[in-house]
Amino acid sequence: GAGVSQSPSNKVTEKGKDVELRCDPISGHTALYWYRQSLGQGLEFLIYFQGNSAPDKSGLPSDRFSAERTGGSVSTLTIQRTQQEDSAVYLCASSFAASENEQFFGPGTRLTVL
Amino acid sequence: AQSVTQPDIHITVSEGASLELRCNYSYGATPYLFWYVQSPGQGLQLLLKYFSGDTLVQGIKGFEAEFKRSQSSFNLRKPSVHWSDAAEYFCAVGGSGGYQKVTFGTGTKLQVIP
Repeated sequence: GAGVSQSPSNKVTEKGKDVELRCDPISGHTALYWYRQSLGQGLEFLIYFQGNSAPDKSGLPSDRFSAERTGGSVSTLTIQRTQQEDSAVYLCASSFAASENEQFFGPGTRLTVL
Repeated sequence: AQSVTQPDIHITVSEGASLELRCNYSYGATPYLFWYVQSPGQGLQLLLKYFSGDTLVQGIKGFEAEFKRSQSSFNLRKPSVHWSDAAEYFCAVGGSGGYQKVTFGTGTKLQVIP
């Protein structure tokens, strides 16, 4: 595709529900990143994939957060038992290779937990 | 641990005026430095990057940044701001040699007044 795509663009859910956020990286990009952007907090690193493995998941804030990547392409970020503090914009980025740190970002998914 | 400080949360400039956005970083070795711009409702777009060589880096949309190792700074500049430059700007630092996590600053929101 032309760029990184994310779906849904907006998600409103009730506290305690599970949500899945999807990221389609640029074709051929082997590295994929998830970030969380809260108001006034900059970008918070969540997890990094190289291919289908995640060598760095140090930013996942709790065990309610998990992510997977299949076929070296699409990634899904899952938040279980959502809490109000999970409300944020979740951004996905991809890059051609791990050593190539220039990242291309998707438009994000705005998650609102009521 | 690496870090980025953007001391100005919000800056207002008049259209046609010059602009400088400040960025200070902390990194133990030679850093990779980036400036990204985020327009409202959009993902982040790379403006420019510094990997090595000339310390004055030219980017898109008429932006430039200067790497000053002695000051641990990578300030973004533009000689004449356009109304379309109103956005949020993020400075980021990463490293070379395989995967290196990129750390983002909290951003500077630029308002352009006529």
